[in-house]
Amino acid sequence: SQQGEEDPQALSIQEGENATMNCSYKTSINNLQWYRQNSGRGLVHLILIRSNEREKHSGRLRVTLDTSKKSSSLLITASRAADTASYFCATDHFGNEKLTFGTGTRLTIIP
Amino acid sequence: GAVVSQHPSWVICKSGTSVKIECRSLDFQATTMFWYRQFPKQSLMLMATSNEGSKATYEQGVEKDKFLINHASLTLSTLTVTSAHPEDSSFYICSAKSWGGFYNEQFFGPGTRLTVL
Repeated sequence: SQQGEEDPQALSIQEGENATMNCSYKTSINNLQWYRQNSGRGLVHLILIRSNEREKHSGRLRVTLDTSKKSSSLLITASRAADTASYFCATDHFGNEKLTFGTGTRLTIIP
Repeated sequence: GAVVSQHPSWVICKSGTSVKIECRSLDFQATTMFWYRQFPKQSLMLMATSNEGSKATYEQGVEKDKFLINHASLTLSTLTVTSAHPEDSSFYICSAKSWGGFYNEQFFGPGTRLTVL
C-alpha cells in the first residue's frame, strides 16, 4: 500500500498548548496537503506545501516538509477546543492527480 | 471557494437494495471527480476516479460492477452501490477537481453515511 503513516494516532492536550503531528510517506511527491475532518463530516483543506518548499505558515498552523526523510509535520499553536478533529496528510505525485491519504491523527483538545 | 455537495447526507437501506449517491460541484466545472470510502476511525481510501464523459477508473480491489459510477456532466457524478450488504456500510466522500490550476486542489463534499441493515 502507498498509504502514508501518521503519528501519533491519537493526541490529547490541554487547551492553549501546541499540538504536533507527523506524516511519513513512501515515494517522491509533488505536493503534500493537510486536511482536518470533524467527526462524521467532510474534509477541510488546511494547507498545501510543494515538494520544493520546506516550511509554510497559515495563521496558527505551521507545516514543515523534509523530502530527504519523506516526512512532514503539522504544528498547531495555542490550541483551542474547536481544533478537536482528525487531521490527515495527503500526497500527490508527479503526473498523477490522485491523492493518497495518511492514516490520520485524532486530536482532542481538553478545555 | 469552490463548493461540492452530496446527496443524501445519510441513507439507511435494507440488504439487497441499491443506493445512489450524488456529488455536485455547485460553482465550478469538475473535469474530474473522485470517490472515497472511509470506515469508522480510519482514513480515506480512494475507490475510483471519474472523468466527465468517460468510464471511471477503479482502484485495485474495488468491484466496478458493485460500485457504479456515472459522470454524465461537468457538475454531477453519481455513485450507485448495487445490491448493498452490511459490509458496504461506510462513509462515502466525493471530491471534485477543476481543469487547470496551479496545483492538485480537490474540493471535498460533506460525505454520505450509508447504513445497510
